[in-house]
Amino acid sequence: EPEVTQTPSHQVTQMGQEVILRCVPISNHLYFYWYRQILGQKVEFLVSFYNNEISEKSEIFDDQFSVERPDGSNFTLKIRSTKLEDSAMYFCASKGLAGVETQYFGPGTRLLVL
Amino acid sequence: GENVEQHPSTLSVQEGDSAVIKCTYSDSASNYFPWYKQELGKRPQLIIDIRSNVGEKKDQRIAVTLNKTAKHFSLHITETQPEDSAVYFCAASNQAGTALIFGKGTTLSVSS
Repeated sequence: EPEVTQTPSHQVTQMGQEVILRCVPISNHLYFYWYRQILGQKVEFLVSFYNNEISEKSEIFDDQFSVERPDGSNFTLKIRSTKLEDSAMYFCASKGLAGVETQYFGPGTRLLVL
Repeated sequence: GENVEQHPSTLSVQEGDSAVIKCTYSDSASNYFPWYKQELGKRPQLIIDIRSNVGEKKDQRIAVTLNKTAKHFSLHITETQPEDSAVYFCAASNQAGTALIFGKGTTLSVSS
């Protein structure tokens, strides 16, 4: 069964550094999402992406964040200048057709900002 | 925006007992309600979902009920097994591929 994949699985960075988290959604999916989960807390929506543009974003997704689909397979989340509070597990998710609501999650990237 | 409340935060049951987790939502436009199971350090996995045109859905030992009027939905697990131990999240969204808004999760522990 196809799965969403993410790289790296873990990333440690210094505060103020830029990080790029990478995701490969399921190949025929059209909708892409980033969520984050701070340790021990709920999963929080960051941004959704469809037809090469952001379709929705949360208040967490400020100017420090950006997303891109640089080619036909990858979907990336960039954090320009990381803060300590950006430490979390970041999940990518993807969804197929408009009438099918199920979102499939990747394994996550654990980001630690020191 | 949508807000999802989930109770209880922790639930301990004996193997073979039933477990019920309840969620309420605030946005009457929400019409899709999935439940995810997350084992420690792993991705959330969809276990069942329900749409607002249906009141109940069952898949083997798992069932979900939805009360649109009261804006609440529940997950029922019967004949619990130790491998059911995990964190369970409810979520809500409206149509057109919008965000899933999650509850805070319920840590279910099934002891044998």
